[in-house]
Amino acid sequence: DAMVIQNPRYQVTQFGKPVTLSCSQTLNHNVMYWYQQKSSQAPKLLFHYYDKDFNNEADTPDNFQSRRPNTSFCFLDIRSPGLGDAAMYLCATSRDREDGYTFGSGTRLTVV
Amino acid sequence: QKEVEQNSGPLSVPEGAIASLNCTYSDRGSQSFFWYRQYSGKSPELIMSIYSNGDKEDGRFTAQLNKASQYVSLLIRDSQPSDSATYLCAVTPSYNFNKFYFGSGTKLNVKP
Repeated sequence: DAMVIQNPRYQVTQFGKPVTLSCSQTLNHNVMYWYQQKSSQAPKLLFHYYDKDFNNEADTPDNFQSRRPNTSFCFLDIRSPGLGDAAMYLCATSRDREDGYTFGSGTRLTVV
Repeated sequence: QKEVEQNSGPLSVPEGAIASLNCTYSDRGSQSFFWYRQYSGKSPELIMSIYSNGDKEDGRFTAQLNKASQYVSLLIRDSQPSDSATYLCAVTPSYNFNKFYFGSGTKLNVKP
């Protein structure tokens, strides 16, 4: 089945130690998104790629970076995780605005 | 001002009743509106999309849109305990139709 896959489901990292979360898709969607969701809060858009064009949200901290080497893969790099970065990180894809998003299962990040 | 606002709830309804969930948005030029369901610890899943004023029905779900009032709602008929979840409203901003902003969600409890 075509889908959006996030790895790992759970990630524990040390304070200040760089960590990378990955997302892959078999839907051939041209837009990929990274959202951060903390408990009982709205998913917060960090950035998105429209094809290879990177779009950063104005309030996304510099600590968060992203890479999209090809259509299928997208990575979220957190250069120096702090305790406040503990959250669920959601990857989503869309073909165009008419379709809505398809979400991956998310990666829950714990910072110790 | 938040782009998308929802009552956090919880909204409690008895099994078999109609659940009514509401969402308001601030960007008058928004064109696309979505409702997602999110179970605890899981990623959001798309329930409904709506783009034109009026009602759109899909099974037990009806989405209602009123652009003049900047208001979108979701009705769930014959509510079931399995409908207990958080319902997120998502709206595209007028300046970029390739991304969505989410409300913080309304928690729905359906009592058997």
